[in-house]
Amino acid sequence: AQKVTQAQTEISVVEKEDVTLDCVYETRDTTYYLFWYKQPPSGELVFLIRRNSFDEQNEISGRYSWNFQKSTSSFNFTITASQVVDSAVYFCALSGGNNAGNMLTFGGGTRLMVKP
Amino acid sequence: DVKVTQSSRYLVKRTGEKVFLECVQDMDHENMFWYRQDPGLGLRLIYFSYDVKMKEKGDIPEGYSVSREKKERFSLILESASTNQTSMYLCASSLGSGLAGDEQYFGPGTRLTVT
Repeated sequence: AQKVTQAQTEISVVEKEDVTLDCVYETRDTTYYLFWYKQPPSGELVFLIRRNSFDEQNEISGRYSWNFQKSTSSFNFTITASQVVDSAVYFCALSGGNNAGNMLTFGGGTRLMVKP
Repeated sequence: DVKVTQSSRYLVKRTGEKVFLECVQDMDHENMFWYRQDPGLGLRLIYFSYDVKMKEKGDIPEGYSVSREKKERFSLILESASTNQTSMYLCASSLGSGLAGDEQYFGPGTRLTVT
């Protein structure tokens, strides 16, 4: 069975602080994909990134960066110099390699509040 | 741009009513999904469909059924709504390339309250 754990249910930071959202996963698949989605107050989940299990390179996109470590089964997300617009619920998700139906297993989500 | 639309943003129904939630996608995607979102539990898959008239149960199908008569439309049906089905319902679609890595595109959600 697959499982995704986001231990931080809620994080509050002041604007311009750096913040890291943790994600730990469990799977028996050798091939799998990890995702991060953002859910702003409007409610619609927005895709941020996808990583496959064979690519452990860290990724940076503007103020966002992702650290994938298979050794610790973690896929953490860092926002540098946070802004109020980053306030949202962030979900980490996992899709197994034998899953042609592309089903995702989601973590419980982390609510990030960035205060001015 | 992929667009996934849901018929209602907010819905209030009475216990025992039959409820239909509609979802439409405009990108010719093969796969469509229904999730429910509850605080602290993340998103949990109710049902998904990988083709017209084809469906598979997700993690929490009890009390729900689905219908996919046309490729672009996927309906979630609550046969007899109960208060424990009060939740946010999210529809999603994905290309269906046969790979697990397809990203899913989500609709804005329907917040259903059953009184």
